[in-house]
Amino acid sequence: EPEVTQTPSHQVTQMGQEVILRCVPISNHLYFYWYRQILGQKVEFLVSFYNNEISEKSEIFDDQFSVERPDGSNFTLKIRSTKLEDSAMYFCASSRLGTQYFGPGTRLTVL
Amino acid sequence: SQQGEEDPQALSIQEGENATMNCSYKTSINNLQWYRQNSGRGLVHLILIRSNEREKHSGRLRVTLDTSKKSSSLLITASRAADTASYFCATDQPRWGAGTASKLTFGTGTRLQVTL
Repeated sequence: EPEVTQTPSHQVTQMGQEVILRCVPISNHLYFYWYRQILGQKVEFLVSFYNNEISEKSEIFDDQFSVERPDGSNFTLKIRSTKLEDSAMYFCASSRLGTQYFGPGTRLTVL
Repeated sequence: SQQGEEDPQALSIQEGENATMNCSYKTSINNLQWYRQNSGRGLVHLILIRSNEREKHSGRLRVTLDTSKKSSSLLITASRAADTASYFCATDQPRWGAGTASKLTFGTGTRLQVTL
């Protein structure tokens, strides 16, 4: 059964550094998403992406964040200058219609 | 309070018993989905129920939706130790126009513990 994959599973970085989180959505899906979950908190929407452009973004998704679909298979989330409060689990999801399928997540730790 | 709140926050039952979790939300929805999350792991999709549906079954799962009360329930029958996880409801709002992605708004989750 097709699934969303994410790499790396765990990323440790120093404050101020740039990180790129990678996702491979399910191949025939059209909509792509990033969410995050700070430890012990709710899953929060960051951004949705369709037809090679951002469809919607939350207040969390400020100028430090960007997304890209550099080729036909990858979907990336870049954080330009990480802050301590960016430490969280980041989930990629994709959908064709209603159901969103999530990847296993990347745990980002900012020191 | 927030869109998507589950109760109870925590539930402990014995294997074989049924587990019922409830979710309430505030705004009109398009779909409501239930997800499971094992500790520190990814979100596994369980079931989607559309706003025009009232009940849906999938294996040992039964989901109901009452749009007049803006609430949903997830029933897991004959629970197993492997059902131990956090369960979240997630809603998306009606969108206008084709090609519009729908963000999910998650609840706070119910932590289910199933003991032998």
